[in-house]
Amino acid sequence: DAEITQSPRHKITETGRQVTLACHQTWNHNNMFWYRQDLGHGLRLIHYSYGVQDTNKGEVSDGYSVSRSNTEDLPLTLESAASSQTSVYFCASSEGRETDTQYFGPGTRLTVL
Amino acid sequence: GQNIDQPTEMTATEGAIVQINCTYQTSGFNGLFWYQQHAGEAPTFLSYNVLDGLEEKGRFSSFLSRSKGYSYLLLKELQMKDSASYLCAAWDSNYQLIWGAGTKLIIKP
Repeated sequence: DAEITQSPRHKITETGRQVTLACHQTWNHNNMFWYRQDLGHGLRLIHYSYGVQDTNKGEVSDGYSVSRSNTEDLPLTLESAASSQTSVYFCASSEGRETDTQYFGPGTRLTVL
Repeated sequence: GQNIDQPTEMTATEGAIVQINCTYQTSGFNGLFWYQQHAGEAPTFLSYNVLDGLEEKGRFSSFLSRSKGYSYLLLKELQMKDSASYLCAAWDSNYQLIWGAGTKLIIKP
């Protein structure tokens, strides 16, 4: 069955370290998204991609970067982790059009000490 | 600014009906989603409305009024497994998905 996976599921790191969160989907979806979810806030968009080599900044992109070298993967990198980046991170994908339904991965809980 | 408002928490009884409201203010509008999210899990798709009216899917229904900037999710014959957060999200004119903070639904026996 097609799916979307994230790794690691849990990560503890220290302030200042570089961290990369992986997202892999086997639906052959063109669109991929990274969100963070914090208590009291809705999902907030970090970065998104509408296809290979395409990346765009979302609402809260500072301190994060992504690259899209193939259809299946959109890794999220925290260049220098900060305590404010402690959060649950969700990756999502959708088929092709902007308004297609987004399907979410299981999430990564990141703690920055 | 753009905003989605929904109640923070609601409580209902097993077997009853509950309506979760969502009001939105977006620059343009291209449709509205409802997602369900159990604690510690990913959001899962429930419904999508782009035209006015009621969409029914089994025990769950979703309603949209574009002129009022308003939607609701109606859950019938509540079951304990319906205890979850329900997220409302609307597309704006730039195809950015604006998310509400979610409504935590607590079901009591």
